[in-house]
Amino acid sequence: SQQGEEDPQALSIQEGENATMNCSYKTSINNLQWYRQNSGRGLVHLILIRSNEREKHSGRLRVTLDTSKKSSSLLITASRAADTASYFCATRYFGNEKLTFGTGTRLTIIP
Amino acid sequence: KAGVTQTPRYLIKTRGQQVTLSCSPISGHRSVSWYQQTPGQGLQFLFEYFSETQRNKGNFPGRFSGRQFSNSRSEMNVSTLELGDSALYLCASRRSGQGGHDTQYFGPGTRLTVL
Repeated sequence: SQQGEEDPQALSIQEGENATMNCSYKTSINNLQWYRQNSGRGLVHLILIRSNEREKHSGRLRVTLDTSKKSSSLLITASRAADTASYFCATRYFGNEKLTFGTGTRLTIIP
Repeated sequence: KAGVTQTPRYLIKTRGQQVTLSCSPISGHRSVSWYQQTPGQGLQFLFEYFSETQRNKGNFPGRFSGRQFSNSRSEMNVSTLELGDSALYLCASRRSGQGGHDTQYFGPGTRLTVL
């Protein structure tokens, strides 16, 4: 079964706007990761945030983690058409090496 | 450095047949994991191999099996195929497989269609 839920399931915004996606999970984690997937192809790793971190940046990406609420958010600033993809959060438990994926958010950037 | 490669990229089989999918990890990576992706169930973990040993296993029936070779290449096998096995099968590799903080790199996937 999947660990988390992502919200919203789908998001459409104008190019240049910011996009925010949220991920909730159920149990304590070691880290949380975000991935992007284009049209049923392989997943591309975007960013990893450890359980003792609260915020992390990578280029136009900003990820936050709130372990008390068991939630994370991914912010993409100044969106581009090339950002159109599905975005997944994935969690890794302590003592368990597998990744458990959320349900994904389908992001569409309108030129 | 070459990425994770998977072969074949597309496969069509009929019910009852068996199939073997192959994955070559990034050079130096010793951990290989397999995932199944379907529209209904999303991304589901199948199993992980590290140094030729299965370390983790997801909740899939015994028809799904895998192995890893000494060069870290991995194969997964699905026997007695069912229509519900139609999916994108993704392979991922990472360096040490321990500690949990290393990045997992995914291959392009094998699209399996069962008729």
